[in-house]
Amino acid sequence: ETGVTQSPTHLIKTRGQQVTLRCSSQSGHNTVSWYQQALGQGPQFIFQYYREEENGRGNFPPRFSGLQFPNYSSELNVNALELDDSALYLCVAGYNYGYTFGSGTRLTVV
Amino acid sequence: GQQLNQSPQSMFIQEGEDVSMNCTSSSIFNTWLWYKQDPGEGPVLLIALYKAGELTSNGRLTAQFGITRKDSFLNISASIPSDVGIYFCAGPPIQGAQKLVFGQGTRLTINP
Repeated sequence: ETGVTQSPTHLIKTRGQQVTLRCSSQSGHNTVSWYQQALGQGPQFIFQYYREEENGRGNFPPRFSGLQFPNYSSELNVNALELDDSALYLCVAGYNYGYTFGSGTRLTVV
Repeated sequence: GQQLNQSPQSMFIQEGEDVSMNCTSSSIFNTWLWYKQDPGEGPVLLIALYKAGELTSNGRLTAQFGITRKDSFLNISASIPSDVGIYFCAGPPIQGAQKLVFGQGTRLTINP
């Protein structure tokens, strides 16, 4: 149990659809990051939120967007899904390298 | 962007053997992190290294921060079945950056 909860655990979507993934932390960390992990690869940084503001972004197009709420829970939204968006999406709570990863949401785009 | 290269990509060993894997970068890292990922789970931090030359242990695991700051090593002694998984090195690409760059992982398989 990492204290970081992601939902749903698995999801199947059709190309072109939109998806929202959710993350919450028991400890209420004010920093949350999202990573995409394609099969057989290491996680890749999507973006980070700090106190409800985006605080850094990786090499992902604008159709990947996020929100952080006053209770520090977070959402990752992906519009116009593409087949290559199929991956494990990981939420990370914390800072100063005390990174606590959630178990992820496995997204399959068909 | 900065990349981390891990080797080997996969290892098949007998239970009880020692394991060594490494991670290299073309640029300097000031922090090295080693994670283990089990199937269906997120990565779990094993060891964090903050200083060139640092050698840190966590049970049967030992990791070293290379003197050049461009590499790091992870050793596992007397492997057991629960060591099976994928091991990732990672680090922040610039000092103070909160995002992490990950290697592509080393998959460890243990034959009982």
